[in-house]
Amino acid sequence: EVVLTQSPATLSLSPGESATLSCRASQSVGTDLGWYQQKPGQAPRLLIYDASKGATGTPARFSGRGSETDFTLTISNLEPEDSAVYYCQQRYFWPLTFGGGTKVEI
Amino acid sequence: QITLRESGPTLVKPTQTLTLTCSFSEFSVSTYGVGVAWIRQPPGKALEWLALIYWNNDEHYSPSLRTRLTITKDTSKNQVVLTMTDMDPVDTATYFCALRRVTETHLFHPWGQGTLVTVSS
Repeated sequence: EVVLTQSPATLSLSPGESATLSCRASQSVGTDLGWYQQKPGQAPRLLIYDASKGATGTPARFSGRGSETDFTLTISNLEPEDSAVYYCQQRYFWPLTFGGGTKVEI
Repeated sequence: QITLRESGPTLVKPTQTLTLTCSFSEFSVSTYGVGVAWIRQPPGKALEWLALIYWNNDEHYSPSLRTRLTITKDTSKNQVVLTMTDMDPVDTATYFCALRRVTETHLFHPWGQGTLVTVSS
């Protein structure tokens, strides 16, 4: 099973700043990784797929990069509405696995 | 607009079997490349993928729960059903269903709103 380790656990930033979230895979998953945003009481929402491609409706301030075992999600020019927990997920191996999440507080 | 909605009991007793239904619209689970998955999230914890069924009846399960899970689809009703046997309090979680299309993002998009299932005597 591929273990995805997200860091940091919590990120506290101010509006207008940038956030950099990390997701590290226990083995290479190529670029078969995505990112989700989950706000309190809501279902997760897909932000990024294939490591760097924005899903429909994803604001341009969200960007992803990385390959193999190291991935990052960057949120530029943070807005209060970006407060949420962000999860990475790999689709390269069965079973499909998620990271433990990073909470972003604005 | 594609929507999914989970339904089922909110409270089950330990050792009972849980049956959850995912009802969806604006897509068919018989269309090439379409899959419907179940994912759960214990209160305050991370997401855990449980099971997935594809248009071609291919099924995949979480190895840690494989012996307790069964996923089925009813194309005529636009539904996917998950059964989980021998429920335990640690299975208390919000259960989500989600669409996966191998012809598009290959990830879960969109998701249902989720249904909270509590396991308690």
